[in-house]
Amino acid sequence: GAVVSQHPSRVICKSGTSVKIECRSLDFQATTMFWYRQFPKQSLMLMATSNEGSKATYEQGVEKDKFLINHASLTLSTLTVTSAHPEDSSFYICSASGNTYEQYFGPGTRLTVT
Amino acid sequence: AQSVAQPEDQVNVAEGNPLTVKCTYSVSGNPYLFWYVQYPNRGLQFLLKYITGDNLVKGSYGFEAEFNKSQTSFHLKKPSALVSDSALYFCAVSDSGGGLNAGKSTFGDGTTLTVKP
Repeated sequence: GAVVSQHPSRVICKSGTSVKIECRSLDFQATTMFWYRQFPKQSLMLMATSNEGSKATYEQGVEKDKFLINHASLTLSTLTVTSAHPEDSSFYICSASGNTYEQYFGPGTRLTVT
Repeated sequence: AQSVAQPEDQVNVAEGNPLTVKCTYSVSGNPYLFWYVQYPNRGLQFLLKYITGDNLVKGSYGFEAEFNKSQTSFHLKKPSALVSDSALYFCAVSDSGGGLNAGKSTFGDGTTLTVKP
């Protein structure tokens, strides 16, 4: 299957700082990328959907000014958590989808805000 | 709105026995259905999908699933379970139509499969 990388895998930051997470599709062109949060022993919570060159579409309850998403190319999307707080600590997962409908997931980023 | 239900949090089977992980869905249009697997400390992996055509779809690692439109189900099956199949399994549905949900999948809460030797 297709490969999606995510960087960093783990990050610890201080409250009030910003953190950027990169998601890359390595061997296919992703027309759509998705960002999720996964809580322990819970399912994936979709945060936003991004299409290359367009503004991201955020799910209800997700603050677009706090979680900035940029989908600059068909292989790269970034999620920036601005002014992070401890409640933003979570496991963030990106996925990429082309024209075959299924999603290919990155390995995730564990964010800890102290 | 679209939704997915995985009625079992946990499924336990003995190695060599058949396994079934259940999934039912609700979607306004025609469904696209998916199964993903998450092994411990690893990312989610795509297993198989139903888009159109034959109701029985085969995927990776010997898994298969059957689309049943009348029962709105898409249960995951394998004839003979392996210990290495132990993982967290997610069912997901997308609406084949456009609109606000175009391309987005809704995931079930996941089912933990444990295969014992």
